[in-house]
Amino acid sequence: DTGVSQNPRHKITKRGQNVTFRCDPISEHNRLYWYRQTLGQGPEFLTYFQNEAQLEKSRLLSDRFSAERPKGSFSTLEIQRTEQGDSAMYLCASSARLGQGGAYEQYFGPGTRLTVT
Amino acid sequence: GDSVTQMEGPVTLSEEAFLTINCTYTATGYPSLFWYVQYPGEGLQLLLKATKADDKGSNKGFEATYRKETTSFHLEKGSVQVSDSAVYFCALIPSNSGYALNFGKGTSLLVTP
Repeated sequence: DTGVSQNPRHKITKRGQNVTFRCDPISEHNRLYWYRQTLGQGPEFLTYFQNEAQLEKSRLLSDRFSAERPKGSFSTLEIQRTEQGDSAMYLCASSARLGQGGAYEQYFGPGTRLTVT
Repeated sequence: GDSVTQMEGPVTLSEEAFLTINCTYTATGYPSLFWYVQYPGEGLQLLLKATKADDKGSNKGFEATYRKETTSFHLEKGSVQVSDSAVYFCALIPSNSGYALNFGKGTSLLVTP
């Protein structure tokens, strides 16, 4: 198992463009989470999925942000009409289902660094 | 809402010194508590956790004890190495949500030879 992977690792885009990031979780994990980390801060929770169901999305930063996990495996995070304030590291994490040992342990990917010019 | 506060850095220590990074939390009920570490150029790694009062998490020589009476989860290591240089994040999952990690701002540690 190679752990959580994210693509691309870096993305530079112009203001107003749309961007999409991909996350592939650890294969046996049914929960998948997205966080955002800005410089000098801890990660900030955005949304999460259990299988293909998005169970919490009220903390997405605006209606320009959306996420999908169509088949309960990989997930995508899309930002429409990017703004300079969207520049940050976007992190994905996954965890095993409740009832198994380590259910609360979230394992993070390396992140996608977004720069909006 | 539930949150953690950790000591500000940077912390600079000589190799083999004793390390303490303070973390206190504000929460209802009994949150689960975590320490994550971020080495330069790498992603967040789970270092240790504790899920109930008086639990002690430990890993790679690091320890932290869940203290309900002082709402604390301080990270300690008896003898740091240069390779421990990293940013350390304290975090919790609220007992009433069970999913979102709430992180502190992180504490940068630099260990010099």
